[in-house]
Amino acid sequence: QKEVEQDPGPLSVPEGAIVSLNCTYSNSAFQYFMWYRQYSRKGPELLMYTYSSGNKEDGRFTAQVDKSSKYISLFIRDSQPSDSATYLCAMSPNTGNQFYFGTGTSLTVIP
Amino acid sequence: DTGVSQDPRHKITKRGQNVTFRCDPISEHNRLYWYRQTLGQGPEFLTYFQNEAQLEKSRLLSDRFSAERPKGSFSTLEIQRTEQGDSAMYLCASSLFEGIGELFFGEGSRLTVL
Repeated sequence: QKEVEQDPGPLSVPEGAIVSLNCTYSNSAFQYFMWYRQYSRKGPELLMYTYSSGNKEDGRFTAQVDKSSKYISLFIRDSQPSDSATYLCAMSPNTGNQFYFGTGTSLTVIP
Repeated sequence: DTGVSQDPRHKITKRGQNVTFRCDPISEHNRLYWYRQTLGQGPEFLTYFQNEAQLEKSRLLSDRFSAERPKGSFSTLEIQRTEQGDSAMYLCASSLFEGIGELFFGEGSRLTVL
């Protein structure tokens, strides 16, 4: 079993839709969670960072962590064509340790 | 530009040749990571440094791979006797030891082994 599971998609939505991206994990020690956006042939770009359980909002993006269910989510409101990319979740038990990544979900926002 | 810088961006080599990639982290970051990413997969951890000390290596890092970070600044990743299975994007990331430790990635070095 992989440490982190993420549905690869692809996911296709119309412009303006609310997008929900999810990851599940098996290691209960994970407490640092990140979401990255990666455009084709580019390096991952950090979007959101959360610690432990709870919600965090930044503009159109909201990250949620439910440690009891070992489940994290990223919501994108009012999706734009420029949001079309691959979204990667990543998590770690401690700061400075290696981060474990999901396989990424490919998102296309159709104008 | 104060981001993570990687060089070269793309390297094409023949099987059996040696290749070296360089990473310059964000200047105040004392942790540096190497990851490998193949098409359709997430980044896989290879190794990381705190300052000049290499603290952890993945079992993915065979003896053909070696990484260094002299003086705790830039880092190099060398692959000896390349194989076609080494074809991938090699990503470097850096972070601060203090604080919450977000990883900031460079644009990656894409390796194609013919």
